[in-house]
Amino acid sequence: EVQLVESGGGVVRPGGSLRLSCAASGFTFDDYGMSWVRQAPGKGLEWVSGINWNGGSTGYADSVKGRFTISRDNAKNSLYLQMNSLRAEDTALYHCAREGKATVTTWWFDPWGQGTLVTVSS
Amino acid sequence: VIWMTQSPSLLSASTGDRVIISCRMSQGISSYLAWYQQKPGKAPELLIYAASTLQSGVPSRFSGSGSGTDFTLTISCLQSEDFATYYCQQYYSFPPTFGQGTKLEIK
Repeated sequence: EVQLVESGGGVVRPGGSLRLSCAASGFTFDDYGMSWVRQAPGKGLEWVSGINWNGGSTGYADSVKGRFTISRDNAKNSLYLQMNSLRAEDTALYHCAREGKATVTTWWFDPWGQGTLVTVSS
Repeated sequence: VIWMTQSPSLLSASTGDRVIISCRMSQGISSYLAWYQQKPGKAPELLIYAASTLQSGVPSRFSGSGSGTDFTLTISCLQSEDFATYYCQQYYSFPPTFGQGTKLEIK
């Protein structure tokens, strides 16, 4: 069974940092690109960042560019999101999501993890 | 950035009904559109990609159509488990973007 399990969320003050992790299992992790998608409380979905299968190509939403860094460790079947200079508007449930197909970049996502909640508040 | 208008934002229907959700793009995206279902407290689940290709395991009462700027998701005979929020997503251009969502509720 394909599983994505996020961790690392919590409460942080504005300007602070957090590192999210996503543990993948049930598939060949380094065959797939991965993304982070967030959902503010009661709101819709916003793509945050994506990375290709070997980490050689990354992309970011304008809202997080220069503050967030996506990375992966294929030996550990893990995806990460380093979040710096956090703002109140970054408060959201952060999902990791797998690309829809192996070995190609599709930018549609299946499956998704349940998410880890990040709250930025003073 | 491609802007998406999803409608309606709220849809009330009964079990057995046929419902249609619309997604309109600010510019043409060929067939680079996906649909997701999200239930409260759960992760989104992929229903359809490439505008009309049903993901494996998704019931055949779900169907997608359209190309260019106008797309629809149709649920042909609503079941109780279909009451949820639905999102469209374009992946024609970077960054991938989502519609605002349609909450399908029981009438």
